Amino acid sequence: EAQVTQNPRYLITVTGKKLTVTCSQNMNHEYMSWYRQDPGLGLRQIYYSMNVEVTDKGDVPEGYKVSRKEKRNFPLILESPSPNQTSLYFCAITGGIDQPQHFGDGTRLSIL
Amino acid sequence: SQQGEEDPQALSIQEGENATMNCSYKTSINNLQWYRQNSGRGLVHLILIRSNEREKHSGRLRVTLDTSKKSSSLLITASRAADTASYFCATDYYGNNRLAFGKGNQVVVIP
Repeated sequence: EAQVTQNPRYLITVTGKKLTVTCSQNMNHEYMSWYRQDPGLGLRQIYYSMNVEVTDKGDVPEGYKVSRKEKRNFPLILESPSPNQTSLYFCAITGGIDQPQHFGDGTRLSIL
Repeated sequence: SQQGEEDPQALSIQEGENATMNCSYKTSINNLQWYRQNSGRGLVHLILIRSNEREKHSGRLRVTLDTSKKSSSLLITASRAADTASYFCATDYYGNNRLAFGKGNQVVVIP
């Protein structure tokens, strides 16, 4: 069974303090992505990765960075968080074209 | 970016009734997927329907896809209190696993 593990699950921090949200998977899937979920806006893709060292911007990449140095992990980095990045974040994986995505349990970030 | 749009946005029904949600999209798609989200939790995949399919079933769920109208529907039959959740449609319009999600459809099933 696909498992996507995000850490931390909850974080309250202050503007400008760099933070990293980790995401790891147990399925050896090539495709991983990050979404943010905001009330009234649904889920929006931040970044995605189609394989190790291959990443690309999604729909709302501003203020975020990612890296994919190994297949298992896909961390989301906020170099200088701002209050408008307060949101619920999800990491997801998929096994390929026409395959469902499996989501982590989410990370709730509050930037004060 | 293109997004699916669910209609209606909120639905309240009695246990045992059927619940129907619709989703529309704007451009050609590779597939359309439906997900469920319980409050504050991760999304759970329900059904994926490919662009060359018209109908798909999974247990009490039935999904239809009309590519000429660029729309899909999700039917939950004989609803249960445990079906209370938000339901999202998502379209893979790039054909490379990039999904565009709708804003979600909140369903409340009253016991």
